[in-house]
Amino acid sequence: ETGVTQSPTHLIKTRGQQVTLRCSSQSGHNTVSWYQQALGQGPQFIFQYYREEENGRGNFPPRFSGLQFPNYSSELNVNALELDDSALYLCASSSKGARAKNIQYFGAGTRLSVL
Amino acid sequence: AQTVTQSQPEMSVQEAETVTLSCTYDTSESDYYLFWYKQPPSRQMILVIRQEAYKQQNATENRFSVNFQKAAKSFSLKISDSQLGDAAMYFCAYRTTSGTYKYIFGTGTRLKVLA
Repeated sequence: ETGVTQSPTHLIKTRGQQVTLRCSSQSGHNTVSWYQQALGQGPQFIFQYYREEENGRGNFPPRFSGLQFPNYSSELNVNALELDDSALYLCASSSKGARAKNIQYFGAGTRLSVL
Repeated sequence: AQTVTQSQPEMSVQEAETVTLSCTYDTSESDYYLFWYKQPPSRQMILVIRQEAYKQQNATENRFSVNFQKAAKSFSLKISDSQLGDAAMYFCAYRTTSGTYKYIFGTGTRLKVLA
């Protein structure tokens, strides 16, 4: 058990809709990263938030956006959903600092299906 | 850009036997971290083992050990005394030590453990 929780666990949307996924990070962690894992593939980095600011972004279009809140929880928003957005979305929390072990702890993910 | 390659889509091992999963990576950096994560059907990525590139000594965690060959850019995982609970997808991941601390994952190896 990593202490990282994601909600909801499953979600079904139709093409063109918008979706918000949520993540509560592990206590003491100040960094949240989001990954998209298509079926049969490894996770792909979407973006990372550190102290409420975006701290890096992967090769994803602007319709993928995020937020990090003062308690370090985070949201991933996807607008204008496309069929290819169907995937498992993973959130990972970590701590940046001199004593951090540079380990990301993952939640169980949200399975998004776009019809 | 860094890349991670796992050339074995699927591996099988008899219970109590030893199996080795392969991972190669490409980078121009001299300092980085490498990880093996396990993803069971529950979907949550679980850290198996971590290696710091500046350390020559191979990491070990109980039945899990790595063979880290920095010059060859190879990072294999050895699982000794395999157990039924080891059955899962195994992902190799690379993480830089600067900038965005994102993970770059391979495509995974599905490990089956035969009773």
